[in-house]
Amino acid sequence: DGGITQSPKYLFRKEGQNVTLSCEQNLNHDAMYWYRQDPGQGLRLIYYSQIVNDFQKGDIAEGYSVSREKKESFPLTVTSAQKNPTAFYLCASRKLSRRLAGNTGELFFGEGSRLTVL
Amino acid sequence: SQELEQSPQSLIVQEGKNLTINCTSSKTLYGLYWYKQKYGEGLIFLMMLQKGGEEKSHEKITAKLDEKKQQSSLHITASQPSHAGIYLCGADAGGTSYGKLTFGQGTILTVHP
Repeated sequence: DGGITQSPKYLFRKEGQNVTLSCEQNLNHDAMYWYRQDPGQGLRLIYYSQIVNDFQKGDIAEGYSVSREKKESFPLTVTSAQKNPTAFYLCASRKLSRRLAGNTGELFFGEGSRLTVL
Repeated sequence: SQELEQSPQSLIVQEGKNLTINCTSSKTLYGLYWYKQKYGEGLIFLMMLQKGGEEKSHEKITAKLDEKKQQSSLHITASQPSHAGIYLCGADAGGTSYGKLTFGQGTILTVHP
């Protein structure tokens, strides 16, 4: 079945360590996104990518890095520079269309990865 | 950047009551999306609105986008405990930020049986 797979579901990290969250999709979607969610809050955009080998910063990119070497994959690295990394991380993807200026399809989300810094 | 303001931030209703959640932007909403989330899980797509004045319904949930495309509302009729969760509106940024999709801060809905 097609979908988005995030791993791991739960991750514990010591302060000062980098950690990489995996996101894979087999929906043939062009764009992929990473969001961060804190308890009781909405989603904040970290990074997004519309094509392979290209990505843009979202609203809270500091302390994070991404790569888009393959269309199917968009891993997120939470670096030691991220001061408050404990959060729920959500990956999403969608098709992009320029048929209607500014309008495109809905996001499909993974199940999320919960990162806890000890 | 596109900023979306949701209201109320939280809502507690008795089962069977109607309710409305609002999503407002200072900029034109090119594509407006409503999602529902159970805590700690992924998001479930509800509806997408694109045109000014557009209205869509699914089961007991109706979403509208105003004519100016700066405000959307989500209305639930005869709420049930299964409607409980976090409701989020998201919107596409146009122009040079094509492809960027940001969300509001969410509305936490509790439905008491």
